[in-house]
Amino acid sequence: DAKTTQPTSMDCAEGRAANLPCNHSTISGNEYVYWYRQIHSQGPQYIIHGLKNNETNEMASLIITEDRKSSTLILPHATLRDTAVYYCIVSTVYNFNKFYFGSGTKLNVKP
Amino acid sequence: GAGVSQSPRYKVAKRGQDVALRCDPISGHVSLFWYQQALGQGPEFLTYFQNEAQLDKSGLPSDRFFAERPEGSVSTLKIQRTQQEDSAVYLCASSLDRASYEQYFGPGTRLTVT
Repeated sequence: DAKTTQPTSMDCAEGRAANLPCNHSTISGNEYVYWYRQIHSQGPQYIIHGLKNNETNEMASLIITEDRKSSTLILPHATLRDTAVYYCIVSTVYNFNKFYFGSGTKLNVKP
Repeated sequence: GAGVSQSPRYKVAKRGQDVALRCDPISGHVSLFWYQQALGQGPEFLTYFQNEAQLDKSGLPSDRFFAERPEGSVSTLKIQRTQQEDSAVYLCASSLDRASYEQYFGPGTRLTVT
């Protein structure tokens, strides 16, 4: 029951910015956008989240369109260690943040 | 500090055997989740605990799956009469409370049913 759509895979050159898109056209007003990533053989790891404003932390930036129907995760200077599957999730605390991960985007960072 | 730990990391079971998978969440975390991840797929929600109360078990695939968290800390996921389709990685996650935005995941238990 994933409520987001992401490309299956993307490539990025090391040192360049990686821009990962996500469509969530049915997002409701109380749902946040979350991004997690999963490096091979590890559990998913939180990256960033937002409601309607753009957000930035030490790992990434999150750009949410004004209508909130899509967002982009930006890794400003991708490294080989950023190679992972990136999941875009919409969820609300009113449902205790039960996450539907979908299939995510496999980001391949190449030297 | 210590993160979420899971044991065993790998489990091989013959079809029809019962298995028990353990999750030790971060101390003090109220919320605990179990997810199932099939090969090449994203994690899928199984069940949710708030302290010792199992508030949602809508994702458990059959009545062969049972989860408990009797004292509100350690949780066990039990699968009875395992089938080949149960082969997957079982992930446990905990968060501080039900409103927390960050779920902390363990490394998972890889279950292979032969």
